[in-house]
Amino acid sequence: DAKTTQPTSMDCAEGRAANLPCNHSTISGNEYVYWYRQIHSQGPQYIIHGLKNNETNEMASLIITEDRKSSTLILPHATLRDTAVYYCIVRAHTGANSKLTFGKGITLSVRP
Amino acid sequence: GAVVSQHPSWVICKSGTSVKIECRSLDFQATTMFWYRQFPKQSLMLMATSNEGSKATYEQGVEKDKFLINHASLTLSTLTVTSAHPEDSSFYICSASLLGSGGQDSPFGPGTRLLVL
Repeated sequence: DAKTTQPTSMDCAEGRAANLPCNHSTISGNEYVYWYRQIHSQGPQYIIHGLKNNETNEMASLIITEDRKSSTLILPHATLRDTAVYYCIVRAHTGANSKLTFGKGITLSVRP
Repeated sequence: GAVVSQHPSWVICKSGTSVKIECRSLDFQATTMFWYRQFPKQSLMLMATSNEGSKATYEQGVEKDKFLINHASLTLSTLTVTSAHPEDSSFYICSASLLGSGGQDSPFGPGTRLLVL
């Protein structure tokens, strides 16, 4: 699977949008971009995923560039509970046996 | 939504003993479950892929005889850490692929924290 690169950390003010970037310049045509987050001492939580179109759900929006070499996860109104490590992962396919390979992720700190 | 549970949530054991961790999909069937390990301040590392009714596939460097995986049903996979030692102390997390869903969101369990004294 292609690898991703993310900044180590970032912070944002509560109530403001948090924009988390991710580079995946070697992504293949059949690989999806997934985002998970892990709040301290808990299991990872699925956020969103996409192939090439922008996606939005109740948690976040995912913006994928036209060349698919990078993407941005947007939390529109960050709260203190959004403080977590966010993982951007590319996944070969959505079959039941495809595995997730976690990198170091980006630590988002939401300040009051 | 799809929920994965783990039991126990934490365990303390003496060196040399074996510990069994259960991973259950509560409201869905999972042909595939994944086991991860996470050391402090590090990312999740995949240990093995567990397929119902067949032998698990282990990642490179993971000892299959030390970390025994059994996936006897579509809702239960177990990880047994045999002859545990202090270096096995870690946070063990499982996830499950939803049968028929394409595995899109692969829900994770809450994790099991193991401390070996």
